[in-house]
Amino acid sequence: DSGVTQTPKHLITATGQRVTLRCSPRSGDLSVYWYQQSLDQGLQFLIQYYNGEERAKGNILERFSAQQFPDLHSELNLSSLELGDSALYFCASSVGGLAFNNEQFFGPGTRLTVL
Amino acid sequence: AQKVTQAQTEISVVEKEDVTLDCVYETRDTTYYLFWYKQPPSGELVFLIRRNSFDEQNEISGRYSWNFQKSTSSFNFTITASQVVDSAVYFCASTLGENFVFGPGTRLSVLP
Repeated sequence: DSGVTQTPKHLITATGQRVTLRCSPRSGDLSVYWYQQSLDQGLQFLIQYYNGEERAKGNILERFSAQQFPDLHSELNLSSLELGDSALYFCASSVGGLAFNNEQFFGPGTRLTVL
Repeated sequence: AQKVTQAQTEISVVEKEDVTLDCVYETRDTTYYLFWYKQPPSGELVFLIRRNSFDEQNEISGRYSWNFQKSTSSFNFTITASQVVDSAVYFCASTLGENFVFGPGTRLSVLP
């Protein structure tokens, strides 16, 4: 158990809908990272937040957004969903804020299925 | 283009064999970080190692070792005396510019 929690574990929705994925980092970690793993695109880094502020941005679509709240949990919002958004979404956390300059601990992932 | 290549899509070995997973990266950066992750059949991602571009010393951790060769832009991963529990998909990754890029992964099957 990495100490990172993600909810929900599974999510099934329809095209055009909007969903919110939630992540709680390990106690003491200030950074949260979001990743997408799909059959087509493989593993991709989406975005990093550190202590409430966006720190690094990867291949995140404009239809997607994220935020980190004062209690350090983070939410990833996916809107106008398309079939291709079906994927496993991982959250990770680390102590420091320099993007990727720290060991990251991963949550179990949220599997999103868009029908 | 900046990218990470793992040429081996799948590898099968018999338990106790040594196996090396290859990783080649392309970058214009002078400072970068390289990583290996393991994804077992259960699906979670497990961090294995992080190495910065200024540290070319090889690293050993138990049965795992990593060979960083800056001259050939490679960061290979060797498992010595493989075990069935090593069966997983292994991803190499690198910071490339402001992004973080994963290779396509190598599926390792260790047969009893």
